[in-house]
This record gives sequence, C-alpha cells and structure tokens, in this order.
Amino acid sequence: GAGVSQTPSNKVTEKGKYVELRCDPISGHTALYWYRQSLGQGPEFLIYFQGTGAADDSGLPNDRFFAVRPEGSVSTLKIQRTERGDSAVYLCASSSFVGTGYEQYFGPGTRLTVT
Amino acid sequence: GDSVTQMEGPVTLSEEAFLTINCTYTATGYPSLFWYVQYPGEGLQLLLKATKADDKGSNKGFEATYRKETTSFHLEKGSVQVSDSAVYFCALSDRAGGTSYGKLTFGQGTILTVHP
Repeated sequence: GAGVSQTPSNKVTEKGKYVELRCDPISGHTALYWYRQSLGQGPEFLIYFQGTGAADDSGLPNDRFFAVRPEGSVSTLKIQRTERGDSAVYLCASSSFVGTGYEQYFGPGTRLTVT
Repeated sequence: GDSVTQMEGPVTLSEEAFLTINCTYTATGYPSLFWYVQYPGEGLQLLLKATKADDKGSNKGFEATYRKETTSFHLEKGSVQVSDSAVYFCALSDRAGGTSYGKLTFGQGTILTVHP
C-alpha cells in the first residue's frame, strides 16, 4: 500500500512569510508525528496526534508553530512569521502496532528553506 | 530527559569489513530501542528494533542487542556491502514496546561509506 506522503517536497520562502506543510499518513494509522531534522542532525520531535487531538506538543519550539489534524487523517504543520533558523527538513510519521510493538513509518520529508 | 549518543562519524570501510556503530542511551523507565537507516535520496526506514532488555533485533545481516546494564544498543554487521552506505540513526521510544505510542528521540546519525 501507499506510504506516508508529504507535500510539497521542497519549499522556499522569504523570512516573515507563512507556510503550510502537509502530511498524508498511511491509511488506518491513528497516530501521527511531526519531526524536524536540521542538517547533520537526527530528527527532533515536534508534535504527536492521536486521532484528531494533539496528545503531546512539547516539542514545538514556540508559538509560531502550530499543527492540526481536523479529521484524524491528513495533518498540516503551519509556521507563521518564518525565520531563517526554521530552515530544515520536516518529517512526518504515522504509527501502527507491528509484532512486539509500535513502529513509526516516515514520509520523505519537506525541505523548507527560509531566505 | 531522554537522550541518545552515537559514535561520531563518518565511518569509512572496505567491502566485507566488520561494522560496529556504538549507541548509548539515557532514559527513565523501559524504552524501546531502534536503528533507522537513511539511504541517499530516500526517507528514514526502520532497520531493526528491540523492545526489552536482552532482546536482539536483526535485519539484512545487521544486529543489535538491548543491553540494559550498559544502556547500549550497538549496531553490528559481519560483512558490509557497498549498498550499505547510508546514514544510520539510533533512537529510543519513551514507551515500552507493547503499551502505547511514544515519540522517538534520535541520535545525531553516523554516516557510513563502504568502498569496493
């Protein structure tokens, strides 16, 4: 079946602009995660949804970042007043129970560049 | 808080050499442990996992054993191939494997290059 998809694959925006990044999880996966990966680093957790609600948003760096998942499937990560430090690859993952535990399946990411 | 430390890279090996990438972790409770791999131009893929102490995860000739006494989960492969060239990430989940969902905490990644 189809994996996790993310759009756009690349986004270039100017400092101060607003951007939206979209994630389509694997069908039937109720858990959805957003991570941010800076160059040369491992992914860092941003937010986790269980169904429609944000169960853990402790990784969001500040109030410019917001995410929604209104129907429990597609999620959108929204960044207001973008800054150059927001440049990174934003990864989405969805999760299901496999064998002995839950596994997260990652999308290809959206590379965000703020100029 | 939880953290994962990987050996610094990059690691360069000849084909058929033995590979070890060290990973140690700090966590409260009983985390699950994972190795993810990112091949050039591709997304993160789960390579192997272990959900409790002394479990051994294995896949594609790679192995890692969950060592609670040394808080380690070192990745090994007996004979690497050129196609193993990738970035490898060690990670932990803040929930035991069978209980609930958990966010992943990743190490910084280790770049592996294998030459023919």
